[in-house]
Amino acid sequence: GAGVSQSPRYKVAKRGQDVALRCDPISGHVSLFWYQQALGQGPEFLTYFQNEAQLDKSGLPSDRFFAERPEGSVSTLKIQRTQQEDSAVYLCASSLRGDGYTFGSGTRLTVV
Amino acid sequence: GQQLNQSPQSMFIQEGEDVSMNCTSSSIFNTWLWYKQDPGEGPVLLIALYKAGELTSNGRLTAQFGITRKDSFLNISASIPSDVGIYFCAGQFSGGYNKLIFGAGTRLAVHP
Repeated sequence: GAGVSQSPRYKVAKRGQDVALRCDPISGHVSLFWYQQALGQGPEFLTYFQNEAQLDKSGLPSDRFFAERPEGSVSTLKIQRTQQEDSAVYLCASSLRGDGYTFGSGTRLTVV
Repeated sequence: GQQLNQSPQSMFIQEGEDVSMNCTSSSIFNTWLWYKQDPGEGPVLLIALYKAGELTSNGRLTAQFGITRKDSFLNISASIPSDVGIYFCAGQFSGGYNKLIFGAGTRLAVHP
């Protein structure tokens, strides 16, 4: 597609619920990144994929966070047993080679 | 946590004024980038800097990569109302896919 598409745009989850956030990168982009942006802060790195391989997951805050990109295209970020501190905007970015990121508009997750 | 100090946190200026913001780091970066984020959207790249001392312009925007590689500044000349938004600096330790480290942002408001 023309840009990075994320869905849903907004998600409200009850504490303890599992959520899945989807990212459709730009077609042909090899690199895909997930970032978490808390209110009033800059984005913080979560994880990185090169094609289907997850090469860096050092930013995932706990084992409740899991990301996958099984066919090297669409990626899903899953959060299990959501907590209030998980409330944030989750940004996906893709890149042809690993630089020159294009960000999506994000998914705003609110845990109540 | 984030390793960049971005200042000022916010600015409220008159249309036509020049703006300056900067970022400092305790770490040496190989690349500095400046992004703008509008409400409900992902960050959009404004300027990328790849060499210490490099001075790069993009229209009314000028950014410099500090000689020590630990700082960068962004200037906006003759501000206009559409410059309103949040500006983020980001550092990258090396080329390729390495993650971006973002500052906390400078919130710019422009009074017509």
